[in-house]
Amino acid sequence: GENVEQHPSTLSVQEGDSAVIKCTYSDSASNYFPWYKQELGKGPQLIIDIRSNVGEKKDQRIAVTLNKTAKHFSLHITETQPEDSAVYFCAADGSGQNFVFGPGTRLSVLP
Amino acid sequence: GAVVSQHPSWVICKSGTSVKIECRSLDFQATTMFWYRQFPKQSLMLMATSNEGSKATYEQGVEKDKFLINHASLTLSTLTVTSAHPEDSSFYICSALTPTDSDTQYFGPGTRLTVL
Repeated sequence: GENVEQHPSTLSVQEGDSAVIKCTYSDSASNYFPWYKQELGKGPQLIIDIRSNVGEKKDQRIAVTLNKTAKHFSLHITETQPEDSAVYFCAADGSGQNFVFGPGTRLSVLP
Repeated sequence: GAVVSQHPSWVICKSGTSVKIECRSLDFQATTMFWYRQFPKQSLMLMATSNEGSKATYEQGVEKDKFLINHASLTLSTLTVTSAHPEDSSFYICSALTPTDSDTQYFGPGTRLTVL
């Protein structure tokens, strides 16, 4: 089945700097790759997603890139702000309609 | 985006009792909902897939008799933790698929269960 790895597990950046989180997946049949932001005590919130027919997608300060050949995808946050501090999870669609989540990255944006 | 709610947001119960958690899709009909469990500082672990009008599909290692799932309508799925024990204490999160986008899961806010 699908296996998703995510790095780094923790990331600290200065406010205004960029943050990059990388994920790899194992199942070449996966076609959908969402990113979720989870704040403490809350449910995950979808922030951006990408499908396998696209190499890059951008939404304001957030962008995601996908390399299907290498089976990896990355989340890029530019001009980080303190409110970007949270845990970020990548995911890939597994068998059926399930997602397989990465272990998460705790991002801290220092003012 | 689609809105999913959960109730209660936090519940404390005594060991041996049963607890029901509700997951509702507020502005759409969800034929498929998912139940996840999340331990502190860990990722989401899929427990089961809930399809309206049929039995839930449980992931390997999840006890179906302990975690009862009912998806009786297109907007409501319930998870009942039966005979709860302290090791069942966790954050339980549901998600739902919208009819217009079968890929995207929208998550509820989660329910924190503490078993004393």
